[in-house]
Amino acid sequence: DTAVSQTPKYLVTQMGNDKSIKCEQNLGHDTMYWYKQDSKKFLKIMFSYNNKELIINETVPNRFSPKSPDKAHLNLHINSLELGDSAVYFCASSPGWGATEAFFGQGTRLTVV
Amino acid sequence: SQQGEEDPQALSIQEGENATMNCSYKTSINNLQWYRQNSGRGLVHLILIRSNEREKHSGRLRVTLDTSKKSSSLLITASRAADTASYFCATDESGGGADGLTFGKGTHLIIQP
Repeated sequence: DTAVSQTPKYLVTQMGNDKSIKCEQNLGHDTMYWYKQDSKKFLKIMFSYNNKELIINETVPNRFSPKSPDKAHLNLHINSLELGDSAVYFCASSPGWGATEAFFGQGTRLTVV
Repeated sequence: SQQGEEDPQALSIQEGENATMNCSYKTSINNLQWYRQNSGRGLVHLILIRSNEREKHSGRLRVTLDTSKKSSSLLITASRAADTASYFCATDESGGGADGLTFGKGTHLIIQP
């Protein structure tokens, strides 16, 4: 069973469109994250979320919004897509406490044309 | 937020040799982690070292941490072709909490058969 799964794996869309990336974890973790990896492979956290609070990286445009229907899911919705949004987006989860590893999904490669 | 720096950015060695990668960071941490990313895949956790630890081993991996210099190193002994990947250090400031991980830029390791 895949611990953290995200769909789709590839997403090609036109500028101005709205799209969503789904993420599910079956680890029972309390905290989930979205990371963005740019073309130079630099990874940066976008959001972290548990059932108590959402923490947003201040550099993330408000066109990006996480939506969590329940503890096991954290979807990423992007409005009015721009060329610069092209990147690989990773979902991850962790227990949310203590020093422990994060579990990553396989990534979604978003290409905006 | 802090930003780790890996050194070198790229490393190419012969199979069987040892590979050493370094990471520097800027602020106080709870723990430091190393992840591997194979081409087109998600990140896989390799090893975690807490701020009060100086050295840790896991199989062919050896990690050191010097909090006074804010630096860490990852040594892979007896490298194999399958070790070819990008390696990232990641710092955890709060111990698995909502701050997530802060990643370095990564070292691309190529093991030549």
